[in-house]
Amino acid sequence: AQTVTQSQPEMSVQEAETVTLSCTYDTSENNYYLFWYKQPPSRQMILVIRQEAYKQQNATENRFSVNFQKAAKSFSLKISDSQLGDTAMYFCAFIQGANFGNEKLTFGTGTRLTIIP
Amino acid sequence: DVKVTQSSRYLVKRTGEKVFLECVQDMDHENMFWYRQDPGLGLRLIYFSYDVKMKEKGDIPEGYSVSREKKERFSLILESASTNQTSMYLCASSLTAPLSTDTQYFGPGTRLTVL
Repeated sequence: AQTVTQSQPEMSVQEAETVTLSCTYDTSENNYYLFWYKQPPSRQMILVIRQEAYKQQNATENRFSVNFQKAAKSFSLKISDSQLGDTAMYFCAFIQGANFGNEKLTFGTGTRLTIIP
Repeated sequence: DVKVTQSSRYLVKRTGEKVFLECVQDMDHENMFWYRQDPGLGLRLIYFSYDVKMKEKGDIPEGYSVSREKKERFSLILESASTNQTSMYLCASSLTAPLSTDTQYFGPGTRLTVL
């Protein structure tokens, strides 16, 4: 079974600083996808960034980027120039690739990030 | 934009009551999911459906059932609510069938309290 571990339950950082959220996962598969989701306080969860395991290049989305280390099974999220609106719970998630009938998204336990003004 | 709506933001029920949580998506997505979110446990999958009238058990299906009579609507049913089902319930949908590797879009959540 796949597992996703987020070892930082809570983090805080000053506005405009850079912060990195860690995520490790465990799988024996070679074809999979990784995601970071953001859940702002009292608001809907939204996708931040997504990485396909077969791609060596790290995904980036504006101020958000990942450091994908496949051999180490590590998938960290870097937020540059952090903003107050980045305050949220962040979930790392994993899904195995094409294997009909067995695709389930596995979430980590989340990291609560607070951006301090 | 994809819109996933849930029937209630907050719900209070008594032990033993039958509870219905409704979820509707407006983007013709094939896949729909029900999760529960608890502090320190993240999101755990209860049930999912990749087509009308189809359902698959997730990781924690005990005490729950689901119904998908129409493509856009996925209902979670607690046959006899218990206090350990007090939680935040999140519905999600995604486009690609039968895989779920496409992005999942989430509803706002229903915070259920069972007294």
